Amino acid sequence: EAQVTQNPRYLITVTGKKLTVTCSQNMNHEYMSWYRQDPGLGLRQIYYSMNVEVTDKGDVPEGYKVSRKEKRNFPLILESPSPNQTSLYFCASSLTRVNEQFFGPGTRLTVL
Amino acid sequence: AQTVTQSQPEMSVQEAETVTLSCTYDTSESDYYLFWYKQPPSRQMILVIRQEAYKQQNATENRFSVNFQKAAKSFSLKISDSQLGDAAMYFCAYLNYQLIWGAGTKLIIKP
Repeated sequence: EAQVTQNPRYLITVTGKKLTVTCSQNMNHEYMSWYRQDPGLGLRQIYYSMNVEVTDKGDVPEGYKVSRKEKRNFPLILESPSPNQTSLYFCASSLTRVNEQFFGPGTRLTVL
Repeated sequence: AQTVTQSQPEMSVQEAETVTLSCTYDTSESDYYLFWYKQPPSRQMILVIRQEAYKQQNATENRFSVNFQKAAKSFSLKISDSQLGDAAMYFCAYLNYQLIWGAGTKLIIKP
């Protein structure tokens, strides 16, 4: 089944404790992206990747890191999480930048 | 900078009736894409419909259709024969170099 998977689905952590949210797609998509969703703000792009080893900042990259060592994986790293990073995070992928994006199920992150 | 505006935070419609959700956007580009995504309570983001700006014909997917007015920068979604399963947040999105999202419209279906 074609899908985008994210793990974990729920995470409660404390300020400053490094964490990684994994994202994997099995559709051989070139383009992958991370978004955060906050009430009343829609989705905002954190980082995106056009292909392996090619990543770029979105609208709200501060406090996040990403890597794209393999085509299928695009992990989101929070080196030192803070409470303002409490949010719902989505990973998405598409064949290219201009194609339909397929979304993962979301990761609910709470930083205390 | 491109922006997407959904002016209706919440809409309600009687089951089996028709409802239209509004979306306007601001861009200086001539080539872009527009989308409507649906987010039900499960939080999954689901593509409803897609429109290429160079196409004059309005996109249609079963009960879902759009009214794309390029000059007015308007992209409304019409849902016909509303069903209980249509209840969700609906997001309008603009794509050129990146996907820009509206704040969403919550659609309530009254049985």
